[in-house]
Amino acid sequence: EDKVVQSPLSLVVHEGDTVTLNCSYEVTNFRSLLWYKQEKKAPTFLFMLTSSGIEKKSGRLSSILDKKELFSILNITATQTGDSAIYLCAVQHNAGNMLTFGGGTRLMVKP
Amino acid sequence: GAGVSQSPSNKVTEKGKDVELRCDPISGHTALYWYRQSLGQGLEFLIYFQGNSAPDKSGLPSDRFSAERTGGSVSTLTIQRTQQEDSAVYLCASSLLGPGANGELFFGEGSRLTVL
Repeated sequence: EDKVVQSPLSLVVHEGDTVTLNCSYEVTNFRSLLWYKQEKKAPTFLFMLTSSGIEKKSGRLSSILDKKELFSILNITATQTGDSAIYLCAVQHNAGNMLTFGGGTRLMVKP
Repeated sequence: GAGVSQSPSNKVTEKGKDVELRCDPISGHTALYWYRQSLGQGLEFLIYFQGNSAPDKSGLPSDRFSAERTGGSVSTLTIQRTQQEDSAVYLCASSLLGPGANGELFFGEGSRLTVL
């Protein structure tokens, strides 16, 4: 059975801290791994990773994939209160682009 | 509209009643997905439509749940004889498949269902 596991479940940091969120997976027919940020309602897309070792970067956020060890990390540097959200990791299958989601990591950034 | 539209945004119903949730995907997107998110949880896959192919219903939790997609566009998720454990946010997403498409899902704002 396909499985996507995120850790930690929740995290509380202070502004300026750096955080690392983890996502490990066991899926068949892996195509890509995606990260989403969910603040209130609709998850919004952050990154799509398909190749190992190539870092994707967007401002203070970056992510990398290890297809040998079957995990990805999402780094956020110099955190801000606006980074408070649930961060969702999802694995995309070759068949039909369906996504299997992890349980999410709830990040709270305190002033 | 430019994004995925869902209605109603909130629905409160009594146990045993039927509910219908609607999703209007992004125009031109051939794939449509329904996910469910219980409080504080990740997204649970329910059903997936792709073009004219038979839908993937493998995530539907019971036969009280059904969904259809008419004309390859709007989709309706129906929950019959609702139970309290059906309370959740029901998220719809669509994606563009085809040459050059990366399969990124675009989510609607969700329909929050509360069963009393």
